[in-house]
Amino acid sequence: EAAVTQSPRSKVAVTGGKVTLSCHQTNNHDYMYWYRQDTGHGLRLIHYSYVADSTEKGDIPDGYKASRPSQENFSLILELASLSQTAVYFCASSRDREGSDYTFGSGTRLLVI
Amino acid sequence: GDSVTQKEGLVTLTEGLPVMLNCTYQTIYSNAFLFWYVHYLNESPRLLLKSSTDNKRTEHQGFHATLHKSSSSFHLQKSSAQLSDSALYYCALREYNTNTGKLTFGDGTVLTVKP
Repeated sequence: EAAVTQSPRSKVAVTGGKVTLSCHQTNNHDYMYWYRQDTGHGLRLIHYSYVADSTEKGDIPDGYKASRPSQENFSLILELASLSQTAVYFCASSRDREGSDYTFGSGTRLLVI
Repeated sequence: GDSVTQKEGLVTLTEGLPVMLNCTYQTIYSNAFLFWYVHYLNESPRLLLKSSTDNKRTEHQGFHATLHKSSSSFHLQKSSAQLSDSALYYCALREYNTNTGKLTFGDGTVLTVKP
């Protein structure tokens, strides 16, 4: 079954440390996205990619980098984690830009202390 | 840029009563693709409904919504709430005329259905 798998499911990170969140999809989708979820703010787009080896900034990219080494894999990197980056992070994939359904991962709960 | 407004952050209902969750949007484009996603606790958000056709009712799993471009609305409705409907509901707008496929989400409405 096609899916989007995120790892880790949860993580505690120290302020100033480096954090990498991973996402793997078996949907054969071209588009992949990283969103963060905060109470009262819905889902906000951090980075996205529509082809391997290329990433684009979303609405809130500051403090985050992304990497798309292959069609299947899309990582979100926090070089210097900060308290404000405590949130739940969702990865998603979609087949194209025309309004196809997103398939979401199960989320990564990140706590920065 | 595009925006989506969900007025109610929290809706609490008694089982059996009708559900209506509000969603309005703003976009500079005449074409709009609207979505409702449902997010149950400890699961992934998943698509509930979608539409890009003006004034056409779309239905799924007992829920329905009609896109009204004249009022920029896409309200989610159900005739009778069930306990299992308790979840976080997101309205989303797809950005048109770009390469992104990006969805702009509202802040979400938590629906709690009580016995």
